[in-house]
Amino acid sequence: GAVVSQHPSRVICKSGTSVKIECRSLDFQATTMFWYRQFPKQSLMLMATSNEGSKATYEQGVEKDKFLINHASLTLSTLTVTSAHPEDSSFYICSATQGGSNEKLFFGSGTQLSVL
Amino acid sequence: QKEVEQDPGPLSVPEGAIVSLNCTYSNSAFQYFMWYRQYSRKGPELLMYTYSSGNKEDGRFTAQVDKSSKYISLFIRDSQPSDSATYLCAMKGNTGKLIFGQGTTLQVKP
Repeated sequence: GAVVSQHPSRVICKSGTSVKIECRSLDFQATTMFWYRQFPKQSLMLMATSNEGSKATYEQGVEKDKFLINHASLTLSTLTVTSAHPEDSSFYICSATQGGSNEKLFFGSGTQLSVL
Repeated sequence: QKEVEQDPGPLSVPEGAIVSLNCTYSNSAFQYFMWYRQYSRKGPELLMYTYSSGNKEDGRFTAQVDKSSKYISLFIRDSQPSDSATYLCAMKGNTGKLIFGQGTTLQVKP
């Protein structure tokens, strides 16, 4: 089956620093990847849709200058949390689809970000 | 009112029990219905995918969609401790956006 690798799984950083999270599709090409955020006991909230070779589409209320998304190749998308603050602490999950539709998503293992 | 409602639980059952997980929704335009399983601090894994109404069975799992009642269910037969996880329903309509439920935490006790 399709495998999506996400790294790192956990990161602790100081307030004001930037953190980069990588999402790779290992055995398929993903023209579209999705970035989600999940708070404890809550649902997945879509942050942005990442398209290879073009600018990401951000959901309402998500600051594009704070959450920088780059999708430079068909197998790699990155999310950079810039100038992180404690309120950015959350579980971030990427996902990708085969064929472009988003009904059948393959998720990465997630990144737990803790900002001190 | 949320577009998708899901009881967060937790739901605790003995091993071997039949588990019923449910979601209700308000948007009649939803056509695609999915169930994901998420283990603690991991990414969700697609379990079942259904288009429009009807039932779908895969091993011990059965997904049901009742569009007239705007109600979907996931049944797990002969539940195992390894089924202990959070189960998220997800739906998609004509906007193309996938909407997730809050997730129901299931614990299967040996």
